[in-house]
Amino acid sequence: QEQLVESGGGVVQPGRSLRLSCAASGFTFRTSGMHWVRQAPGKGLEWVAVIWSDGSITKYADSVKGRFTISRDNSKNTLYLEMNSLRAEDTAVYYCARDVGGSPFDLWGRGSLVTVSS
Amino acid sequence: EIVLTQSPGTLSLSPGERTTLSCRASQSVSSSHLAWYQQKLGQAPRLLIYGASSRATGIPDRFSGSGSGTDFTLTISRLEPEDFAVYYCQQYGSSPWTFGQGTKVEVK
Repeated sequence: QEQLVESGGGVVQPGRSLRLSCAASGFTFRTSGMHWVRQAPGKGLEWVAVIWSDGSITKYADSVKGRFTISRDNSKNTLYLEMNSLRAEDTAVYYCARDVGGSPFDLWGRGSLVTVSS
Repeated sequence: EIVLTQSPGTLSLSPGERTTLSCRASQSVSSSHLAWYQQKLGQAPRLLIYGASSRATGIPDRFSGSGSGTDFTLTISRLEPEDFAVYYCQQYGSSPWTFGQGTKVEVK
């Protein structure tokens, strides 16, 4: 069945880096736009970044622009989020989500918790 | 950036009741690119409604969406025990994609 599985979360000190991965299966990954969405503890959903199906276009929320990089490897059916210069306010569950051509997010992973703390 | 404001913040209701959730946008949402999601504690969001009024695959018909432009609503015609959750609206018509702050539907 269609599935997204995030990995790579954990506890990291402020200012350090972390890379999240999202493994896709059960659907044609290379034709899907992909997003990262995060949710701070007890808070609402915040869109983080998007990458077009062919990787040609990426966009970011202002809160992460210049620090986070979204990328993908269509040969491995995997989405990535490289997070640099992490701050306490980046602490959240990070979800990857699918967007099939300007559509809403119809498939979500279970999320990966990132905790930024000294 | 399109800001989405949901109201009320919390609804305290009983199973079997009917309820309406509101989502107001700071500017017109293009082509009714407005979605609703349900999120239960510890779970990922689940798509309920897209295009303001179309139900996603497998969503029961007690869920319905309406609206256009800047005002949208989600109606649950008869609350089932599994419907107590947090509901978010989202606009996906323009970047940055944005979510409302959520409405919690809790058991009275």
